[in-house]
Amino acid sequence: DIVMTQSPLSLPVTPGEPASISCRSSQSLVYTHGNSYLNWYLQKPGQSPQLLIYLGSNRASGVPDRFSGSGSGTDFTLKISRVEAEDVGVYYCMQALQTPVTFGQGTRLEIK
Amino acid sequence: EVQLVESGGGLIQPGGSLRLSCAASGFIVSSNYMSWVRQAPGKGLEWVSIIYSDGSTYYADSVKGRFFISRDNSRNMLYLQMNSLRAEDTAVYYCARAIRGYSYVFDYWGQGTLVTVSS
Repeated sequence: DIVMTQSPLSLPVTPGEPASISCRSSQSLVYTHGNSYLNWYLQKPGQSPQLLIYLGSNRASGVPDRFSGSGSGTDFTLKISRVEAEDVGVYYCMQALQTPVTFGQGTRLEIK
Repeated sequence: EVQLVESGGGLIQPGGSLRLSCAASGFIVSSNYMSWVRQAPGKGLEWVSIIYSDGSTYYADSVKGRFFISRDNSRNMLYLQMNSLRAEDTAVYYCARAIRGYSYVFDYWGQGTLVTVSS
């Protein structure tokens, strides 16, 4: 199975400041046409996960443009340009290249 | 509007069976790839199973041979039959829909149903 490793696991951020989460996979997630099969999800407190980014850098419908995804191969990053209070929760990366799909451990973003 | 509503969770003894249901609205279950994902209390997310539009199914090794995913096209429902349940199966179980053309880009999730396996 592909192992997904996130860092940091805890991320305190001041509102208005940027934030960055790293995700590394144990093997390359690049597949057809150079797409990387890496998704990002946010699970807000008490809620189901929601899709933020798919194929490494594509924002899902309705996701604010302060969220961006980048990376290729085995190293990926989720960036929030200016953190807002509503961004608190646990962020998960997930590889969608190979069954079984696997998730990172999660990064808990909190407001300072 | 797309909606997914799970039901069927509860307290069950080890070795017992339970069937989870996921009622879908706003889209056709049989035309989409549907998965079950679970989350143990205080833990991260774990993919469990997928059913493709052609009916083919796949499972995580941890549940293979014990869990079975299915759907009822006439009722637009997704199911997860869980047999030989173990304490480590205790989790909130989510059904999730994948974006057309991508097996594992889950754009809609249900609210989840809690399964507790304990004597």
